[in-house]
Amino acid sequence: AQSVAQPEDQVNVAEGNPLTVKCTYSVSGNPYLFWYVQYPNRGLQFLLKYITGDNLVKGSYGFEAEFNKSQTSFHLKKPSALVSDSALYFCAVRDTGNQGGKLIFGQGTELSVKP
Amino acid sequence: ETGVTQSPTHLIKTRGQQVTLRCSSQSGHNTVSWYQQALGQGPQFIFQYYREEENGRGNFPPRFSGLQFPNYSSELNVNALELDDSALYLCASSFEGYSYEQYFGPGTRLTVT
Repeated sequence: AQSVAQPEDQVNVAEGNPLTVKCTYSVSGNPYLFWYVQYPNRGLQFLLKYITGDNLVKGSYGFEAEFNKSQTSFHLKKPSALVSDSALYFCAVRDTGNQGGKLIFGQGTELSVKP
Repeated sequence: ETGVTQSPTHLIKTRGQQVTLRCSSQSGHNTVSWYQQALGQGPQFIFQYYREEENGRGNFPPRFSGLQFPNYSSELNVNALELDDSALYLCASSFEGYSYEQYFGPGTRLTVT
């Protein structure tokens, strides 16, 4: 079965420090991977995607993600965290089966950036 | 802003009742997907509609049904509500065949008592 795992429920970072939010996946075939961010009482906002090409993908708000096929990982990164980055982050993979464009989400990681 | 809108924002229903949630897709998108997000969980896929036809369904019972209209707006209907149906319901639109990211609306918070 295809799945996504976010091994950390919470990540705490000091403002100005680099941040990493981890994601690993399990799919058959080539993965289409996504990161979304959710602020309280809001829907999900698209940050970035990996479909093919360069393993380092750049997205919105200074975020980037590194695709590693051998480690089946797609970690989200930012060189310098902001307090406003505090939110819930979801990694997702597109289902490659007969489910249309179904996205399979991880459980989410709560990012807390302290001043 | 993504351009996807949902109504209502909040809804309180009683067990056994029926509910209809509405979604307006982002302009130019031909596909709408619905997800259920329980508290503290990631979104779970309910179903997807492409050009007014159901194009995939998750592990949800038949009392969850949907429609997509020619203008690409959509409805999610839930019959015989159960307490476990309490969740945030998210609509997402996309342009299948062109790009793969889905753009989400703000959601409808459904509480079943």
